[in-house]
Amino acid sequence: EAGVVQSPRYKIIEKKQPVAFWCNPISGHNTLYWYRQNLGQGPELLIRYENEEAVDDSQLPKDRFSAERLKGVDSTLKIQPAELGDSAVYLCASSSLAGGGEQFFGPGTRLTVL
Amino acid sequence: DQQVKQNSPSLSVQEGRISILNCDYTNSMFDYFLWYKKYPAEGPTFLISISSIKDKNEDGRFTVFLNKSAKHLSLHIVPSQPGDSAVYFCAAVPNFGNEKLTFGTGTRLTIIP
Repeated sequence: EAGVVQSPRYKIIEKKQPVAFWCNPISGHNTLYWYRQNLGQGPELLIRYENEEAVDDSQLPKDRFSAERLKGVDSTLKIQPAELGDSAVYLCASSSLAGGGEQFFGPGTRLTVL
Repeated sequence: DQQVKQNSPSLSVQEGRISILNCDYTNSMFDYFLWYKKYPAEGPTFLISISSIKDKNEDGRFTVFLNKSAKHLSLHIVPSQPGDSAVYFCAAVPNFGNEKLTFGTGTRLTIIP
């Protein structure tokens, strides 16, 4: 079974540029998460989707970050415009109730903002 | 405010010996605790968990101990193997089934052959 797929794996941009990350969860997983992991820190939840509905976006900086999960499958996280402090690894995870809620993580996208 | 703390950023252990990774938490609402393991350039993978109704959970070489009164948990790996070298994250949720994981800052474990 394929795991959580993320692309790109690495992205380098200049500040003020836009950037987008894509995530394809494990087939059948209705819950999708986006996390941000800063250097030397643990992952922090940005947004959680149940199917296509964002049920927890309290930690998403809405002035520059946006996310969507059309059709309740894959998801896109966008930053516009990017700032230096956005440099981090962006992790996507998915889970299903049938699977006991265990979250499976993708490999992440390492973003560097210059 | 760091609700889940891993005060040791790194730990080195001889192969075959016991590795003990520690985690403290401040939020008394946390009811379910998990350990994740992370290799470089990969996402975290679930390792073992424990509910607050237990004080110990064992899975092969991995055992997690929970001291609820001290708000402290530890992960024991015995015997340690080179493949155990990774970053270990402690995480907590308010109750099993609640999906909002709060992670610690991680401990980098290095197993010395």
